[in-house]
Amino acid sequence: GAGVSQSPRYKVAKRGQDVALRCDPISGHVSLFWYQQALGQGPEFLTYFQNEAQLDKSGLPSDRFFAERPEGSVSTLKIQRTQQEDSAVYLCASSSLSGTGEAFFGQGTRLTVV
Amino acid sequence: GENVEQHPSTLSVQEGDSAVIKCTYSDSASNYFPWYKQELGKRPQLIIDIRSNVGEKKDQRIAVTLNKTAKHFSLHITETQPEDSAVYFCAASRRRGTGGGADGLTFGKGTHLIIQP
Repeated sequence: GAGVSQSPRYKVAKRGQDVALRCDPISGHVSLFWYQQALGQGPEFLTYFQNEAQLDKSGLPSDRFFAERPEGSVSTLKIQRTQQEDSAVYLCASSSLSGTGEAFFGQGTRLTVV
Repeated sequence: GENVEQHPSTLSVQEGDSAVIKCTYSDSASNYFPWYKQELGKRPQLIIDIRSNVGEKKDQRIAVTLNKTAKHFSLHITETQPEDSAVYFCAASRRRGTGGGADGLTFGKGTHLIIQP
């Protein structure tokens, strides 16, 4: 594909609402990462997939956060019962296992919880 | 886990001058150090990276140096131009060799680089 694609670009959720954020990685990229970027901060690691296997979820801030990649391609990050502190940009990145291994980022989903 | 510190948080330089941003890391197992440029409202984009088996890498006006013993690495931008204005992030992670995948990146807090005309 042309690049990592994320949808929606913007999401406003009422506190307590569940949200689902989608990531379409670059075709053929085995590795997929989710990051959370608060305003004025650097991205913070949430979770990592290699194909469909979730190899690291140590960065997920609470059990309200859940990610899946059932067929090893598209991934969804779900946040249940959203709270104001969940407001941030959620970035997805993908990379191949071979070559430089550079991580390519999507444009992110800006989540605002009101 | 890994901890990455980045300085300064804001850097203002005259157009044409050089800019230097410094980062330190804590995990001696980290072996991959990329630098990302992020313009307002846009995605982070890789500008240069370095692996722990080399001490310096250059790409035109951009260079990165790595001191494994001291656990610090720096970004050098020469002949700065207005389009260099952005937020720059350093990061660190472990890569397990070809086909082995990688840990997630640990980012610094960013440096807002301002190029004064």
